[in-house]
Amino acid sequence: DTEVTQTPKHLVMGMTNKKSLKCEQHMGHRAMYWYKQKAKKPPELMFVYSYEKLSINESVPSRFSPECPNSSLLNLHLHALQPEDSALYLCASSQDLLQRAEAFFGQGTRLTVV
Amino acid sequence: QKEVEQDPGPLSVPEGAIVSLNCTYSNSAFQYFMWYRQYSRKGPELLMYTYSSGNKEDGRFTAQVDKSSKYISLFIRDSQPSDSATYLCAMLSYNTNAGKSTFGDGTTLTVKP
Repeated sequence: DTEVTQTPKHLVMGMTNKKSLKCEQHMGHRAMYWYKQKAKKPPELMFVYSYEKLSINESVPSRFSPECPNSSLLNLHLHALQPEDSALYLCASSQDLLQRAEAFFGQGTRLTVV
Repeated sequence: QKEVEQDPGPLSVPEGAIVSLNCTYSNSAFQYFMWYRQYSRKGPELLMYTYSSGNKEDGRFTAQVDKSSKYISLFIRDSQPSDSATYLCAMLSYNTNAGKSTFGDGTTLTVKP
């Protein structure tokens, strides 16, 4: 099973809403990542978790709040987003940080902020 | 100047053609070189990754790395309409840039039946 599952697939939220994106993997991977991808652009790294601890925060605004409740789950909590935050949000995982060249991506959550 | 430059495309080829997708880079510290395929509105799928200079083959796909020229390529033989997607190269150094991958901007490929 080389699957990273993201829910929901699509999300429309208002600027005053609070919502969460979820990511799950059962490959025993200990590194998990959040990326943001705008149309016709490559993915941009947002956060990296290693062994459930936040390892990298790429200066992401505080309206994005990651959480890693256990080794299989990664959440991204959203609050007071702006329309320019509309994008495809991708989760990925790898065996650990040293194996990040072999990272597996989920199918993404397409977020629209209205 | 971007650290990774990818041939922008778009690229359109007939079914059965050999496709060459290319990236150049400026950071000699890059150690790993990856190729992803991304279908429209889907997440990227890792096709291959390589560490050293030379060729690595997987079915119809061959990844080539030339570290001396800072140039990588992905060749697709006997291209199929199902290969129509955006292809992203990515590079990684564990010693610099906090070990994060640097992506090219992608090349969109269309294989016509």
